[in-house]
Amino acid sequence: KNQVEQSPQSLIILEGKNCTLQCNYTVSPFSNLRWYKQDTGRGPVSLTIMTFSENTKSNGRYTATLDADTKQSSLHITASQLSDSASYICVVSGGFGGYNKLIFGAGTRLAVHP
Amino acid sequence: DAGITQSPRHKVTETGTPVTLRCHQTENHRYMYWYRQDPGHGLRLIHYSYGVKDTDKGEVSDGYSVSRSKTEDFLLTLESATSSQTSVYFCAISEFPPGQETQYFGPGTRLLVL
Repeated sequence: KNQVEQSPQSLIILEGKNCTLQCNYTVSPFSNLRWYKQDTGRGPVSLTIMTFSENTKSNGRYTATLDADTKQSSLHITASQLSDSASYICVVSGGFGGYNKLIFGAGTRLAVHP
Repeated sequence: DAGITQSPRHKVTETGTPVTLRCHQTENHRYMYWYRQDPGHGLRLIHYSYGVKDTDKGEVSDGYSVSRSKTEDFLLTLESATSSQTSVYFCAISEFPPGQETQYFGPGTRLLVL
C-alpha cells in the first residue's frame, strides 16, 4: 500500500531553535517528493521538491533531505521564527497508470513559542 | 494563493441539502483538483479535471460530482450533504499533469453539515 507517514504529529520549540521533521514513504515507483507549508486557515504552499537523484535541497532556512534507498526524507528548520508556526506536509509523487499520483502525509504541526 | 479563489469560504448547511463549491483561477492552468482535508488525514483527492469538460474521479469521490464548463472554473457539488462531508475543501491547479510540477492551492472552504 502506498503511504506517507510523518513524525512527530506535533512539535513545540522555542524561537531561535532548530528542528527536524521526518517523512517515511512506501510509494512505488517513486517520482518526486515535496514539502509544503500550510499556515492556519490557508492552503498549502510548496517549499521544496526533490527527485530521485537529489539528496538535499534548501530554501532559505528550510533544508530538505532525501534518502531514496531508505525511503526517508527530513525537513530541517534552522533558527526558527514565530512565522514558522504551521503544518508541514510531505507529499510523494508516484507513477501509476500513466500519470503521477500524489500521496499526502497527515502533516506535522509545528508551534514556535517566544 | 496563486490567483485561485474559492467561494464560499465558509458554509453551514443541513443534512440532505445540495451544496456547490466554486473554484476560480486566473492562471489559465489546464489541471484543476478538489481535495478534502480532515484531522489526522492527509489531503485526499475527490475529483480532478484535465481540461474543459474532462474530469475524473479521485480516491474519495462517492457523494461528490464536478463540472468544468470553462478553463477558469471548477465546481464541486455535494448532491445531498451528509455529516461525513463536514471538512475543509481545497481547490488546486497545475499547468502540467499531476506530480510533474507543483500544485498551487486555494485558500479553502470550510463546510459544516449539521
